[in-house]
Amino acid sequence: NAGVTQTPKFQVLKTGQSMTLQCAQDMNHEYMSWYRQDPGMGLRLIHYSVGAGITDQGEVPNGYNVSRSTTEDFPLRLLSAAPSQTSVYFCASSWTGFYGYTFGSGTRLTVV
Amino acid sequence: EDKVVQSPLSLVVHEGDTVTLNCSYEVTNFRSLLWYKQEKKAPTFLFMLTSSGIEKKSGRLSSILDKKELFSILNITATQTGDSAVYLCAVGQETSGSRLTFGEGTQLTVNP
Repeated sequence: NAGVTQTPKFQVLKTGQSMTLQCAQDMNHEYMSWYRQDPGMGLRLIHYSVGAGITDQGEVPNGYNVSRSTTEDFPLRLLSAAPSQTSVYFCASSWTGFYGYTFGSGTRLTVV
Repeated sequence: EDKVVQSPLSLVVHEGDTVTLNCSYEVTNFRSLLWYKQEKKAPTFLFMLTSSGIEKKSGRLSSILDKKELFSILNITATQTGDSAVYLCAVGQETSGSRLTFGEGTQLTVNP
């Protein structure tokens, strides 16, 4: 039982490059979310999804895109990386959206 | 603006001490308050509280919610070095799908 799997674990990008952070869960959870974690700021919601084909913006969506074509996968795309996007990114999933979120192990992204 | 504030931001204690971590919130349409423990990587779920005055307990950890005063506390008794972690408080809201708003976290260090 893999839970929530994020890839890659580490990534260094140059300013202006694009990339996709992958997130997959095998628990048949409807709700999935992307957070970023910066020192002193806790976890901030980027985008979330309440089911396949349905996504919405969170607190800090600018510079990021998401799609949810299947229940299992919820990729996060950085369109044109900026140093301000240097952060640790967590994907999470849940049955109901309010209880007991399961988090992936995170992706540490550095934009130079 | 929805807000979750944790205090203290950091705390250093000795093994065997009892600690109390605080979480206050101001959010619209409150539904639940969750506590997570984050060691090196992904946050792991500890408790979810939805009703005032009912203590949730798991071993040496316990938590209680006061919906009138809009705060929660997390108590850890007889602390051990393995309790060293960041403790995150998050609030789930009724109208926002899978939205959780996190506090900054409390960094707890337990010295032998």
